[in-house]
Amino acid sequence: GAVVSQHPSWVICKSGTSVKIECRSLDFQATTMFWYRQFPKQSLMLMATSNEGSKATYEQGVEKDKFLINHASLTLSTLTVTSAHPEDSSFYICSATGGQPQHFGDGTRLSIL
Amino acid sequence: GDSVTQMEGPVTLSEEAFLTINCTYTATGYPSLFWYVQYPGEGLQLLLKATKADDKGSNKGFEATYRKETTSFHLEKGSVQVSDSAVYFCALSDRNTGNQFYFGTGTSLTVIP
Repeated sequence: GAVVSQHPSWVICKSGTSVKIECRSLDFQATTMFWYRQFPKQSLMLMATSNEGSKATYEQGVEKDKFLINHASLTLSTLTVTSAHPEDSSFYICSATGGQPQHFGDGTRLSIL
Repeated sequence: GDSVTQMEGPVTLSEEAFLTINCTYTATGYPSLFWYVQYPGEGLQLLLKATKADDKGSNKGFEATYRKETTSFHLEKGSVQVSDSAVYFCALSDRNTGNQFYFGTGTSLTVIP
């Protein structure tokens, strides 16, 4: 079946570093990709929606300059956490769809020291 | 707007007990409904889904019926196992909002031997 690959699965880095997370659709064309953030023991919160070839639409309260999203092709979207700080530590999950259904990646656990 | 309200946890059950996790929704259109499961440290896995009223989704002994009259999609399992311990998320996807997912807050289930 359709698979979404998210990389890396876990990253630890120093405060001030920028971190890039990739989300790839492996066997379908993802016209839309979503990025979620999940705090410990909480639900997923949608951060932004990206359509291939256009700018991402960010949810209220999500800093566009902090969380850069690029969806340059139908199989790849990237989320870059710029100048990450400890409060950015979280579990980030992407999902992709070419219509229906939506497929989720396995998530990236980001820890900022 | 669209939303999902899910029974709060945590839920602790003995092995072979009956499980019900309540989920109700609000949607402007005719959404598809989902249950996802998240094991510790992992991403979301689709457990089951239903795309229209009166549909029953089932998988691994879990069931949920799409009830339009009560706007509900309760998750049930007749006999839980220790391996069912995880966090369960109810979600809806609405074409009217570009297939965006709306998640419930999640219910943590622990099954003890």
